[in-house]
Amino acid sequence: EAQVTQNPRYLITVTGKKLTVTCSQNMNHEYMSWYRQDPGLGLRQIYYSMNVEVTDKGDVPEGYKVSRKEKRNFPLILESPSPNQTSLYFCASSSLLMNTEAFFGQGTRLTVV
Amino acid sequence: SQQGEEDPQALSIQEGENATMNCSYKTSINNLQWYRQNSGRGLVHLILIRSNEREKHSGRLRVTLDTSKKSSSLLITASRAADTASYFCATDLNSGYSTLTFGKGTMLLVSP
Repeated sequence: EAQVTQNPRYLITVTGKKLTVTCSQNMNHEYMSWYRQDPGLGLRQIYYSMNVEVTDKGDVPEGYKVSRKEKRNFPLILESPSPNQTSLYFCASSSLLMNTEAFFGQGTRLTVV
Repeated sequence: SQQGEEDPQALSIQEGENATMNCSYKTSINNLQWYRQNSGRGLVHLILIRSNEREKHSGRLRVTLDTSKKSSSLLITASRAADTASYFCATDLNSGYSTLTFGKGTMLLVSP
């Protein structure tokens, strides 16, 4: 079954404690991205990757890091989380071919206290 | 940056009625896609309409695209309580490869 898997689904952490949210896809997609979703703001792209070792900033990259060492995995790293990073996070993947849909993970609800 | 803007922000209807949501965007696109999100869950792809298409159907869904007005509409006919969700349009810019920019969504509530 084609899927994007994020872990964990829920996370409560304290300010400044480094954390990683994992994302894995089984569709051999080149393109992967991270979004955060906040009430009234919709989905905003944090980082994206067009292939292994190729990453770039989206609209709201501050406070986040990513890596793409393997095609299937695209972890999101918060080196020093702050309360304003409390949000719902989604990983998505898609082919780089034209006119293709994106597949989304189930989301990670992060609370930073 | 957000490209698509959905309208209305929220819509409340009765079961059996039709629901229409609109999306406007600013720049040239390769295609426009609609996604559905049940509360707090991942987005699910509904339908994709290419820039050279004007209308597309999928079950109870009908999507139109007017590139001259830079707008699209999603019509859900004979709505059901299970259609209650947020609906997002996403534009795939004419950039040579497939990437998406999402709007803020329309929250649809269908009451039994």
